[in-house]
Amino acid sequence: QVQLQESGPGLVQPSETLSLTCTVSGVSIRSSSSYWGWIRQPPGKGLEWIGHFFYSGNTYSNPSLKSRFTTSVDTSENQFSLKLTSVAAADTAVYFCARRDVVRGIFTHWGQGALVTVSS
Amino acid sequence: DIQMTQSPSTLSASVGDRVTITCRASQSIGNWLAWYQQKPGKAPKLLIYKASSLESGVPSRFSGSGSGTDFTLTISSLQPDDFATYFCQLYNDNLGTFGQGTKVEVK
Repeated sequence: QVQLQESGPGLVQPSETLSLTCTVSGVSIRSSSSYWGWIRQPPGKGLEWIGHFFYSGNTYSNPSLKSRFTTSVDTSENQFSLKLTSVAAADTAVYFCARRDVVRGIFTHWGQGALVTVSS
Repeated sequence: DIQMTQSPSTLSASVGDRVTITCRASQSIGNWLAWYQQKPGKAPKLLIYKASSLESGVPSRFSGSGSGTDFTLTISSLQPDDFATYFCQLYNDNLGTFGQGTKVEVK
């Protein structure tokens, strides 16, 4: 059973870097059938795709966030991470990590979400 | 950028009603469209992919149709568990744009 769990600071200072980690269980992060991705949802608003990537390369990201979004993978811990630089209040959101099926192209498994507030 | 526009934003309905939600793409996306259901405080749940394919385990009262720019999610007979917010998502190639959502509320 594939499961994902986000972790990281719940409060980030404006202009700092937001960092979150997603721990995956039930499937290897090296799976050839999986992309790994991030989606966010500001309080009371809709979903925004941030980006997704294959563990060995090829990152795809929302053009509106591309310059601030980076990803990394820790295969030994079966984890992947998000870094979003130069954050502002508008980056306050629930951040979801998710698995995107390579063949079908859709996000099939999601974490429960982690609220990150940008505030001084 | 391709924009995804859902309508209506809010829909009031009763148990047993037939419910239809529309999603329109700003340019043709083939059938690369998914529908998700989200309940408060929860992650979205995949209902439909490739515009009309029902995800395993999803009740058959949910159906999707459309191609190109216009897509529809239909709930044939609304059940109490179906009151939620629904999102469409474009997922072709390297994209993942969501619609703004449609909240289905109790009439």
